Amino acid sequence: NAGVTQTPKFRVLKTGQSMTLLCAQDMNHEYMYWYRQDPGMGLRLIHYSVGEGTTAKGEVPDGYNVSRLKKQNFLLGLESAAPSQTSVYFCASSGWGLAGGSYEQYFGPGTRLTVT
Amino acid sequence: GESVGLHLPTLSVQEGDNSIINCAYSNSASDYFIWYKQESGKGPQFIIDIRSNMDKRQGQRVTVLLNKTVKHLSLQIAATQPGDSAVYFCAENKGNTGNQFYFGTGTSLTVIP
Repeated sequence: NAGVTQTPKFRVLKTGQSMTLLCAQDMNHEYMYWYRQDPGMGLRLIHYSVGEGTTAKGEVPDGYNVSRLKKQNFLLGLESAAPSQTSVYFCASSGWGLAGGSYEQYFGPGTRLTVT
Repeated sequence: GESVGLHLPTLSVQEGDNSIINCAYSNSASDYFIWYKQESGKGPQFIIDIRSNMDKRQGQRVTVLLNKTVKHLSLQIAATQPGDSAVYFCAENKGNTGNQFYFGTGTSLTVIP
């Protein structure tokens, strides 16, 4: 199993450009998440999904959109990139966490995005 | 060595010593907590979890303690090794839908050989 994969690994954008980050998981997980991590800070939740076809806002959703058309994929879009969106983006997935089980989130390797 | 995540973001310990990393969480309704380890250039990795109906849970060389009265969580690493050098995050689940977790700012642990 590859676990959680993210593409691309690095990207440089100019202000106003758009892009899509792709996250894929092969663990048949229901839940998927997008986080951003800024220097010296913890992860902040941007958007999440509780199943195919669903999306919901997290702590810092402004400026981002997401889609979950297939269970294994979760896409994060930036419609008009801003320098404030320079960050490292992590995708994660988790299972249902049934009674007594773990809600462990499995993370991808991250995408380092720079907006100039 | 011991740290408080928000006030002392770095912790240095000698190889072989025990490490204690602390975390204060915000919501008394939080019912599930996870400790993650993040090595440089990588995504966070699960270390250990604990539910709010427990005070202590042990894993391999790690122990998590939960004090709900003061909303405090700690991670103890026994016989710290150079491979333990990383940033450690606590994450709390506030009992809401979607299995959302809120992460602390992290503590950077450096193990001195």
